[in-house]
Amino acid sequence: DAGVTQSPTHLIKTRGQHVTLRCSPISGHKSVSWYQQVLGQGPQFIFQYYEKEERGRGNFPDRFSARQFPNYSSELNVNALLLGDSALYLCASSPGHGDYEQYFGPGTRLTVT
Amino acid sequence: KNEVEQSPQNLTAQEGEFITINCSYSVGISALHWLQQHPGGGIVSLFMLSSGKKKHGRLIATINIQEKHSSLHITASHPRDSAVYICAAGNYGGSQGNLIFGKGTKLSVKP
Repeated sequence: DAGVTQSPTHLIKTRGQHVTLRCSPISGHKSVSWYQQVLGQGPQFIFQYYEKEERGRGNFPDRFSARQFPNYSSELNVNALLLGDSALYLCASSPGHGDYEQYFGPGTRLTVT
Repeated sequence: KNEVEQSPQNLTAQEGEFITINCSYSVGISALHWLQQHPGGGIVSLFMLSSGKKKHGRLIATINIQEKHSSLHITASHPRDSAVYICAAGNYGGSQGNLIFGKGTKLSVKP
């Protein structure tokens, strides 16, 4: 079975641009979470979606938004990119229904210049 | 003070040594996760535990809920164990996916 997939793998953008990152969860998983990991730090929670509804939001500005589609895949959008948005963006899926073990994708490395 | 603290930040060991990584947390949790991150970023879930002890091969994780402390042990360490080990506190009462991560422990095992 395929694990969590993310695209693209790497991305370079300039300040002020916007970016869309994509995540496909493990088949059957209905919950998707997004995390930002700045170099040298642990990941920080951005969003969690379950059954296409936002269930949690971390301490990130409104420039960050996300959505989940009927097939449970998800997009993370970041507008007006800043240099500080350069990070590894991780997506994790979990089954839900009381099973909260999270399975992580390989991440998207975003560089903002 | 971070809600999840790990120690040590960096750890160098000789192949075969017994390794312990500690994690203390100050938040209420539903479960405590131990994760492994290799260079390049991929994260693998090692353990999710809410009480007692779990063992997978040479890895053992323990948790003391009363003391809000968990440990990850690696027996007979090997250079392939070199990675960053991260503990994360999960509270699933509200946001199901909200993990609070420690900063990680960078382990290097020398042959």
